[in-house]
Amino acid sequence: DADVTQTPRNRITKTGKRIMLECSQTKGHDRMYWYRQDPGLGLRLIYYSFDVKDINKGEISDGYSVSRQAQAKFSLSLESAIPNQTALYFCATSDPGLSGNIQYFGAGTRLSVL
Amino acid sequence: SQKIEQNSEALNIQEGKTATLTCNYTNYSPAYLQWYRQDPGRGPVFLLLIRENEKEKRKERLKVTFDTTLKQSLFHITASQPADSATYLCALARASNTGKLIFGQGTTLQVKP
Repeated sequence: DADVTQTPRNRITKTGKRIMLECSQTKGHDRMYWYRQDPGLGLRLIYYSFDVKDINKGEISDGYSVSRQAQAKFSLSLESAIPNQTALYFCATSDPGLSGNIQYFGAGTRLSVL
Repeated sequence: SQKIEQNSEALNIQEGKTATLTCNYTNYSPAYLQWYRQDPGRGPVFLLLIRENEKEKRKERLKVTFDTTLKQSLFHITASQPADSATYLCALARASNTGKLIFGQGTTLQVKP
């Protein structure tokens, strides 16, 4: 089984709908991240969490919210989806005990907003 | 503003040759730099990390260099194989270990048999 699991893998939704992307990990890491990837733009950080009580905005948090339900679970919500949120979304984890902040990624969720 | 640039054009090389990918950055003083590999439909996978006080790092057929004066890292794959075909991302981080990485847009490598 994958260490970092994202569900769903693919999602098509309509403008204005609320959707949730879920991420769970078995690596035992405290730090979790949500990124989006667009062609030609690379990975951009949406939100990150260093523990259950610590949530921080990334560079592109507008239109998104997150919930850290447990050490192992970090969800990303789009309150009212819009077409320019169509992208590939990745969850990642890291261990602060390891220098260099190496990140471990899930397989991604491909989201299309029509 | 901080900027990381990787060659957006795909790199096509013949099997057996050395592939060299470039990562340039501006307005940034990273404590370390990482390289990731990403295959289509999959998440990035960590390959190598190099610190600001290191000039070169090797792992099997992979070699990374880090020149803080030129603000550049080079990623080399020697004796390239078709299985090395993928997109390669560089990422930078500060010494404060905030946990945040800044990623380049990636360069796609195609190794032809």
